Amino acid sequence: ETGVTQTPRHLVMGMTNKKSLKCEQHLGHNAMYWYKQSAKKPLELMFVYSLEERVENNSVPSRFSPECPNSSHLFLHLHTLQPEDSALYLCASSQDVRGGGTEAFFGQGTRLTVV
Amino acid sequence: DQQVKQNSPSLSVQEGRISILNCDYTNSMFDYFLWYKKYPAEGPTFLISISSIKDKNEDGRFTVFLNKSAKHLSLHIVPSQPGDSAVYFCAAGGTSYGKLTFGQGTILTVHP
Repeated sequence: ETGVTQTPRHLVMGMTNKKSLKCEQHLGHNAMYWYKQSAKKPLELMFVYSLEERVENNSVPSRFSPECPNSSHLFLHLHTLQPEDSALYLCASSQDVRGGGTEAFFGQGTRLTVV
Repeated sequence: DQQVKQNSPSLSVQEGRISILNCDYTNSMFDYFLWYKKYPAEGPTFLISISSIKDKNEDGRFTVFLNKSAKHLSLHIVPSQPGDSAVYFCAAGGTSYGKLTFGQGTILTVHP
C-alpha cells in the first residue's frame, strides 16, 4: 500500500474515446500532481493542485482535463487523444505545494495506450 | 530546455562495488534535490534528499553529494546489491514552489 492509488493500471483507448484516470491519496496531503512519463524523456509535470485549487498548468493540451473534487481525489479526463499521448501517467501527492523539501509520493501509474 | 540532466542513460556495476549516479542542473533557484528509484510497473519511490545548505547526506548505503558551484549532484550506493537494479531519477525543487523537475533517469544494473 503506497498511500497513493491509481486506477486503472492499464488503459487502451481509441482516439475518439473519452476516459478518466483516477487517483486517490490516503496520506492527508494537501497537494496533488499529474505527471507524464514518455519513453526516454524526463518526467513531465502536467498539473498541480493545492487544496483542490489548480495552481499550475504546464501548457498541457486541452484534451487533458484535470479535476480535483477534494484533497484526496484527483482525476484526469481524457478525450480525443493522439497516439503520441501514449505514456505512463503518474499521480503524486505531497504535504504542501510550497516549502522546499516536501517529498512527493507517487502512485503506480496508469499505462495509457492510444490506438 | 532541460533544467535537470542525467547524462548517463545506464550504468552497470558488480555486486559489492560502488554505484555512482550523476545529475546536473542549470537553475540556480533549485535549493532542494531528491533521488527517486523506480522499478518496472511501479511509480517512483523517494530514496534520499539533500538541501542546498548541505553538501552531503547519508542514509545507510546511500549517500548524496551536492556541489553547488558545479551545479552537480551524485548518488553513491555502496555496497551495491542486485536489488538496487532499477531506474534512478534525480529531481530538483525550490523553496518557493514545491513542484519537482526530474531528470531522464539512469538505469542501474547490479550484477551478482
